[in-house]
Amino acid sequence: DTGVSQDPRHKITKRGQNVTFRCDPISEHNRLYWYRQTLGQGPEFLTYFQNEAQLEKSRLLSDRFSAERPKGSFSTLEIQRTEQGDSAMYLCASSSDREQYFGPGTRLTVT
Amino acid sequence: DQQVKQNSPSLSVQEGRISILNCDYTNSMFDYFLWYKKYPAEGPTFLISISSIKDKNEDGRFTVFLNKSAKHLSLHIVPSQPGDSAVYFCAASEGTYKYIFGTGTRLKVLA
Repeated sequence: DTGVSQDPRHKITKRGQNVTFRCDPISEHNRLYWYRQTLGQGPEFLTYFQNEAQLEKSRLLSDRFSAERPKGSFSTLEIQRTEQGDSAMYLCASSSDREQYFGPGTRLTVT
Repeated sequence: DQQVKQNSPSLSVQEGRISILNCDYTNSMFDYFLWYKKYPAEGPTFLISISSIKDKNEDGRFTVFLNKSAKHLSLHIVPSQPGDSAVYFCAASEGTYKYIFGTGTRLKVLA
């Protein structure tokens, strides 16, 4: 039984660089979500896919952020021209119903 | 505006006793609630859920109670174990798959 996996687990990048994160959901789950979590806060919703369709985006997702789920399986989250304020834990979750199951997260540090 | 609030940042409980974690919400349209446990450097782990059509759901040592009139839910852990020491998040959704999370309560179970 494999859960949600995310890669990389940690990423350190310099301000202005682009980064891309990958999420592999639980195989039978058709819904995939991205959240961001900063210190002392709960996860904040960024975007949601049902199969390959991106159905909702938070206003937190500025135009520097883009997410894809091209074949309805894995998903990528790209951040262009990173800023120090992008430093956070990026969490991916998947579901087949109302309960969402999270991966271990990617910790991004922008220096 | 914080639609989901966990007003106690931390809680200490003796091993074997009951832990009660509280969560308040402001949106009466929320219809599904989740509780998660999070260890450092890991993603949140799903614990238990409750629909707004119920007032209680039980799973082993974990019970969630929902009081819709008070817009309040609570997670009871009985008996508490040292391995339960973690940060606990409640989350709520309004007929969609987007969840709003509280800021978490750090539980410490003392041996």
